[in-house]
Amino acid sequence: GAVVSQHPSWVICKSGTSVKIECRSLDFQATTMFWYRQFPKQSLMLMATSNEGSKATYEQGVEKDKFLINHASLTLSTLTVTSAHPEDSSFYICSAGGLSYEQYFGPGTRLTVT
Amino acid sequence: QQQVKQSPQSLIVQKGGISIINCAYENTAFDYFPWYQQFPGKGPALLIAIRPDVSEKKEGRFTISFNKSAKQFSLHIMDSQPGDSATYFCAASSEGAGKSTFGDGTTLTVKP
Repeated sequence: GAVVSQHPSWVICKSGTSVKIECRSLDFQATTMFWYRQFPKQSLMLMATSNEGSKATYEQGVEKDKFLINHASLTLSTLTVTSAHPEDSSFYICSAGGLSYEQYFGPGTRLTVT
Repeated sequence: QQQVKQSPQSLIVQKGGISIINCAYENTAFDYFPWYQQFPGKGPALLIAIRPDVSEKKEGRFTISFNKSAKQFSLHIMDSQPGDSATYFCAASSEGAGKSTFGDGTTLTVKP
């Protein structure tokens, strides 16, 4: 399967600061990238869908001004958590999709806000 | 309204046994049904997927059974091994939406 990387794998930040998470598709061109949030022992919650070169589509209840998504190229999407608070602490996972149905997930980023 | 219901929530199987996880969906527009395996602290990995034009798909020890009329599909893991211990998610998507709807997950424990 295709390889998707995320960076960083783990980040700790102070409350009120912003943190950027990168998602890269390493061996294919991802026309669509998805960002998920996962709490311990729970399922994946879709936050937003982004297509290269266009604005992200956010799921209901997700603050687009807080979770900034940029899909600048077919291999890179970024999620920036602005003015992070402890309740934003979670496991953030991206996935990338090409022209077929398959989605390939990154390894995830553990965000801890202190 | 949850569109994909997964059961059981947790499952314990002896080594060599068969693990069976079930999912039911509501949206008849869904036309792609993948299963993902997730280990703690890792992202999900695509395990096997099926389209509604076939009733069964097998890849190694993993088999998906699909019942279109009942709107149900299941994952069977034959000869379960301790290394299969993980959380399994079913999902469903339709071509137009692109995004997937996930089940709540099943934590599988295979005892040696």
